[in-house]
Amino acid sequence: QQQVKQSPQSLIVQKGGISIINCAYENTAFDYFPWYQQFPGKGPALLIAIRPDVSEKKEGRFTISFNKSAKQFSLHIMDSQPGDSATYFCAASIGTGGGNKLTFGTGTQLKVEL
Amino acid sequence: GAVVSQHPSRVICKSGTSVKIECRSLDFQATTMFWYRQFPKQSLMLMATSNEGSKATYEQGVEKDKFLINHASLTLSTLTVTSAHPEDSSFYICSARGTSRGTGELFFGEGSRLTVL
Repeated sequence: QQQVKQSPQSLIVQKGGISIINCAYENTAFDYFPWYQQFPGKGPALLIAIRPDVSEKKEGRFTISFNKSAKQFSLHIMDSQPGDSATYFCAASIGTGGGNKLTFGTGTQLKVEL
Repeated sequence: GAVVSQHPSRVICKSGTSVKIECRSLDFQATTMFWYRQFPKQSLMLMATSNEGSKATYEQGVEKDKFLINHASLTLSTLTVTSAHPEDSSFYICSARGTSRGTGELFFGEGSRLTVL
């Protein structure tokens, strides 16, 4: 059972554009929603995370939008750069800490073109 | 710098042999570590949760006798792939949650690429 659905599978954006990746979850017990960035041959690295008590969180060029009623959350990358080209995973977990086991989305391969 | 280190980063072995992968937390004590497997262009799939001083908890469908996990200290967990076969070839990634890190953030290792010939 895929508890976290992610789209699109791949995305091409022009430099300076906005990259948008969407995720939807099923389990209403999830209460921690991080996004990870992974470069080829490397482990994932935490980008930004949100809890359901807020609808938006911004850190630099990265913004998470969260819609609790729709059970959806999205990552927006503003002013996308070629260095942002990577695979992005959304995830979700249950519990007050991000240390509880994560359920990952299927991933989005982002390519930012010049 | 990396706070979770994995070794080796790449390993090639013959079918039938066993391979050990180490996961170390470098600047914090990790009571819990997680082991994931990732096939090319796919997501991370949780294999097991490793708890210091106790038996690991395996996810459904993961053979505990094939993937041996030992979390003998607060800074080291090991995954041993026993009697490896070509279908075990994958990217194995560990993550760790610290005892002192209140944010609850999980830190991931750099991964270990296993190729079984």
